[in-house]
Amino acid sequence: AQSVAQPEDQVNVAEGNPLTVKCTYSVSGNPYLFWYVQYPNRGLQFLLKYITGDNLVKGSYGFEAEFNKSQTSFHLKKPSALVSDSALYFCAVREGSNTGKLIFGQGTTLQVKP
Amino acid sequence: DAGVIQSPRHEVTEMGQEVTLRCKPISGHDYLFWYRQTMMRGLELLIYFNNNVPIDDSGMPEDRFSAKMPNASFSTLKIQPSEPRDSAVYFCASSITGTGRPEAFFGQGTRLTVV
Repeated sequence: AQSVAQPEDQVNVAEGNPLTVKCTYSVSGNPYLFWYVQYPNRGLQFLLKYITGDNLVKGSYGFEAEFNKSQTSFHLKKPSALVSDSALYFCAVREGSNTGKLIFGQGTTLQVKP
Repeated sequence: DAGVIQSPRHEVTEMGQEVTLRCKPISGHDYLFWYRQTMMRGLELLIYFNNNVPIDDSGMPEDRFSAKMPNASFSTLKIQPSEPRDSAVYFCASSITGTGRPEAFFGQGTRLTVV
């Protein structure tokens, strides 16, 4: 069965510093991987995805993520954090087949301090 | 496009009452997902449909929960009877296959409070 793990409940970083939010996954076959962000009292917003090709994918708001097949990881990164990046971040995986099941990790709260 | 539309945004009901949550997916999308979000359990997949057909309902917590998709532009999630532990935010999401865009788009959610 497919699964997603986000090992950190919260990540704290100072504004201007680089940030990393970790994600590991387990899926049979080729994974489709995603990152979403959720602001308070809002729905989830799509940030970026990996389907195939380059292991480093770029997304919205300056975020990027690195796919590592050997480590089954898909960590979210940003070179310079902003206070406005503070939110709840979810990693998700979808099997690269027609089953279409989309499973989310538990979420990581990112706190960027001025 | 208006995106995924959910109604109502907020629902407060008494224990034992029937609750119906509604979702209108993005036009042309062939997958529809229902999720429940709580502090304790995070974001749980309840059920998902492909071309209006339920594919996997293994996440539906109990027989009190049911979901339907009578056509491509409408889905409901019903709880009957409702209980206080059903209090959560319920999200609907939709996606489309065959376009290289497998990501799902979420509605704003329905915050359900059962008292």
